[in-house]
Amino acid sequence: DIQMTQSPSSLSASVGDRVNITCRASQNIGNSLNWYQQTPGKAPKLLLFAASSFHSGVPSRFSGSGSGTDFTLTINTLQPEDFAAYYCHQSYQTPHTFGQGTKLEIK
Amino acid sequence: QVQLAQSGAEVRTPGSSVKVSCNVSGGTLTSTTVSWVRQAPGDGLKWVGRIVPLFETAHYAQQFQGRVTITADESTNTAYMELRSVTSEDTAVYFCAREVGMGAFDIWGQGSLLTVSS
Repeated sequence: DIQMTQSPSSLSASVGDRVNITCRASQNIGNSLNWYQQTPGKAPKLLLFAASSFHSGVPSRFSGSGSGTDFTLTINTLQPEDFAAYYCHQSYQTPHTFGQGTKLEIK
Repeated sequence: QVQLAQSGAEVRTPGSSVKVSCNVSGGTLTSTTVSWVRQAPGDGLKWVGRIVPLFETAHYAQQFQGRVTITADESTNTAYMELRSVTSEDTAVYFCAREVGMGAFDIWGQGSLLTVSS
């Protein structure tokens, strides 16, 4: 199975900050990397697919980069609604696997 | 647009089975790959398996192999996940999700809570 290592596991930031969340795959996955946002009690929401492509309706302050084994989710100018959990997900091969998650909290 | 609606919360005793449903509306199940993902309390996301109705195939994570069966009923546009011999470690919210293109999950059901308790 492909292991996804996501960091940090938690992050404190303020409204208006810029934050980066990284995800490392245990083997080359090309650009088969997706990012999700999850708020408590809700299903995850797709933010970005294929490492850097926007899902419909996602604000442009979210961006993704990387290929191969190293990927980054960047959130520019944090808004109050951005404080949530974030997960990376590799869809290169089954079993699909997720990173452990990053909890983004208000400082 | 496509929506996924899941069955409600379930309570089971250890060793029993549960079958969770996921109804696809606004589209046809035949053309929809449906994955199941679970999330234990306070934990992250774990892929359980998926059904590809177009090819009549299912794939499962090794961890659940032999205990889980994912099926599709195209007459009712509903996918099912059956989990057998449940233990307290299976207590989790189970989500169904539509898998598209590069394998991303773009639409999710609301989740079904399974509680396993004696």
